[in-house]
Amino acid sequence: DIQMTQSPSSLSASVGDRVTITCRASRDITNYLNWYQQKPGQAPKLLIFDVNNLHTGVPSRFSGSGSGTDFSLTISSLQPEDIATYYCQHYDLLPLAFGQGTRLDLK
Amino acid sequence: QVQLQESGSGLVKPSETLSLTCAVSGASISSGGYSWSWIRQPPGKGLEWIGYISHSGMTFYIPSLESRVIISADWSKNLFTLQIKYVTAADTAVYFCARSRGTQPYYFDFWGHGTLVSVSS
Repeated sequence: DIQMTQSPSSLSASVGDRVTITCRASRDITNYLNWYQQKPGQAPKLLIFDVNNLHTGVPSRFSGSGSGTDFSLTISSLQPEDIATYYCQHYDLLPLAFGQGTRLDLK
Repeated sequence: QVQLQESGSGLVKPSETLSLTCAVSGASISSGGYSWSWIRQPPGKGLEWIGYISHSGMTFYIPSLESRVIISADWSKNLFTLQIKYVTAADTAVYFCARSRGTQPYYFDFWGHGTLVSVSS
């Protein structure tokens, strides 16, 4: 099975900061990588699919990049509403899997 | 608008069977191009994909749960269900149902709100 490892596990940033979260796969998953945002008490929401495609309605300050085993999610200018936990997810082979999550809060 | 709604028992005794239903509106679970998954999240922890059922009834379960899990569908009622047998405290979690684009799970674009299931005597 493919394991997904995110770093950092948590981070603090200020409004307006550029924030980057990374996700590493245990083997090559080409571009089969998605990102989700989850706020407390809510279901996750799809942000990005296939590495760098923004889901409908997702602000353009979010972007994704990477290929193979190393991927990243970037928020170009952090907004208060971006405070959440972020998860990567691969779908290269079944079983698909999520990363352990990165908790983002305000400094 | 596609909507998913989980329902079922919120409290299950150890060694008994957890049963949840996901009612879908705004989309037909028997239509091609989509699959239907269960995902869980233990309190304070991350997301764990449990498995899925396709529009044609094909299923897949994660190896760690394969011997205890069944995902099935009632096509006439447009809902799918999750059963986990012989539960333990480790099965305590918020359980989400979700739709995925693709015959096999791809990305999850619609989710239910989630339902908390506690395993306790």
